[in-house]
Amino acid sequence: QVQLQVSGPRLVKPSETLSLTCTVSGGSVSSGAYYLGWIRQPPGKGLEWIGYTYYRGSTTYSPSLKTRVTISIDTSENQFSLRLSSVTAADTALYYCALSDFGDYAFDYWGPGTLVTVSS
Amino acid sequence: QSALTQPASVSASPGQSITISCTGTSSDVGAYDYVSWYQVQPGKAPQLMIHDVSNRPSGISNRFSGSKSGKTASLTISGLQADDEADYYCSSYTTSATYVFGSGTKVTVL
Repeated sequence: QVQLQVSGPRLVKPSETLSLTCTVSGGSVSSGAYYLGWIRQPPGKGLEWIGYTYYRGSTTYSPSLKTRVTISIDTSENQFSLRLSSVTAADTALYYCALSDFGDYAFDYWGPGTLVTVSS
Repeated sequence: QSALTQPASVSASPGQSITISCTGTSSDVGAYDYVSWYQVQPGKAPQLMIHDVSNRPSGISNRFSGSKSGKTASLTISGLQADDEADYYCSSYTTSATYVFGSGTKVTVL
């Protein structure tokens, strides 16, 4: 049973970089079995896809965020990370990490989500 | 890319059926049969309910069904139960190899 857990600072100052890590248990990020992605939900708003990466392939980002976002994999810790630079209050959101089984076009496994607030 | 269009809210009594629409474009919903649906309840991780337009993951009740016609996908919940009260989001893979979510629909069980 795949389980995901997000960790990282819950409060980030404007113009700084938001950094979150998703730790995967019950599956391997380097197996090639999963696409590894991030999704967020601002308070009172809908879900927004941020991007995904694949161990044996490329990384794809949302067009609206691609100039500020980086998703990377740490195989030694079985984790993958999100970095979002130059944050503003509009980046305040519940951040989810999610896995898609390779060959699927849906988000099969989700972590519980972490609220990150951008404020000085 | 713009969010897929869903009704803001749908409500019905227990036992009734509801259908939630999800309208996109020829670059997303209309391009592939890669539409999925998610149930989001407060304090819980989102749950995949339908993938590839009409396929249910293991463990999902057969009261949930999906379909698609052209640029509009639909999620139907039959035999509505109190536990079905949640926000529901559609998602589609796009011709740019990205994903887009719907605007979300709040389902209320009266």
